[in-house]
Amino acid sequence: AQSVTQLGSHVSVSEGALVLLRCNYSSSVPPYLFWYVQYPNQGLQLLLKYTSAATLVKGINGFEAEFKKSETSFHLTKPSAHMSDAAEYFCAVRASGGSYIPTFGRGTSLIVHP
Amino acid sequence: SQTIHQWPATLVQPVGSPLSLECTVEGTSNPNLYWYRQAAGRGLQLLFYSVGIGQISSEVPQNLSASRPQDRQFILSSKKLLLSDSGFYLCAWSHIGTATYEQYFGPGTRLTVT
Repeated sequence: AQSVTQLGSHVSVSEGALVLLRCNYSSSVPPYLFWYVQYPNQGLQLLLKYTSAATLVKGINGFEAEFKKSETSFHLTKPSAHMSDAAEYFCAVRASGGSYIPTFGRGTSLIVHP
Repeated sequence: SQTIHQWPATLVQPVGSPLSLECTVEGTSNPNLYWYRQAAGRGLQLLFYSVGIGQISSEVPQNLSASRPQDRQFILSSKKLLLSDSGFYLCAWSHIGTATYEQYFGPGTRLTVT
C-alpha cells in the first residue's frame, strides 16, 4: 500500500522568499514520486519526477525536490517565489513494480504576496 | 509530441439530464486513460481507468459510466445527473512504455448541475 501526506493545505510566502512545500510518503517498495502544479481552472501539469536516478530532481519553472529515504520525504522547493507560482501543488507516489495508478496527496495551495 | 483534449470546457446541466464528456489523446498509441473528479476545495478522486479498447475499471460506484470506443478516446457518461455530480472533471493518460507511468492531464471540464 502507498500513501502521501502533504503538510499544510495552504502555504503563504512573500514574493522573492523561499518556497517549501512538504510531502511525506509511505511505500513498502521503492517509490516513484511526482509533483504536479494546477493553476486555476486548468489541468495538472507535471513539475518533476523522482525515478531513483538522482536524489535531487530539478523540474520546470525553477522548482526542485529532494528525495530523502530516511525521512520518507520528497519536499518541493524554489529559492525565490514569483507571483506566477501561486497555484495548487500535488504530490503523488507510485510503488515501483506495483499498480500503475498513483496515489495523490490532497494538495497544497501556494499563496504569494507582493 | 503528445496532446490531450477535453470538451466541452464548461457545462451547465439540470438535474436528471444526461451527460457525455469526451477526451482524446494525440501523438501516442495504446495509452492508459483515466477520469478524475475534483470537487470544490478537495483533492483528486479517480473515477475510471482503462488499459485498452473496451476495458474499463471503476473505482467508485456511482451513476457515472465510462467507455473507450477507440484507442485514444475516452468518454464519461451519465443517464441522469445528480447535484453531487458537479465538479471539475479531468482526463489523463500515461504511457505504458515507461517505468514511471507519470500521468498527463487534459485541461478539464467544469460541470455544474443545477
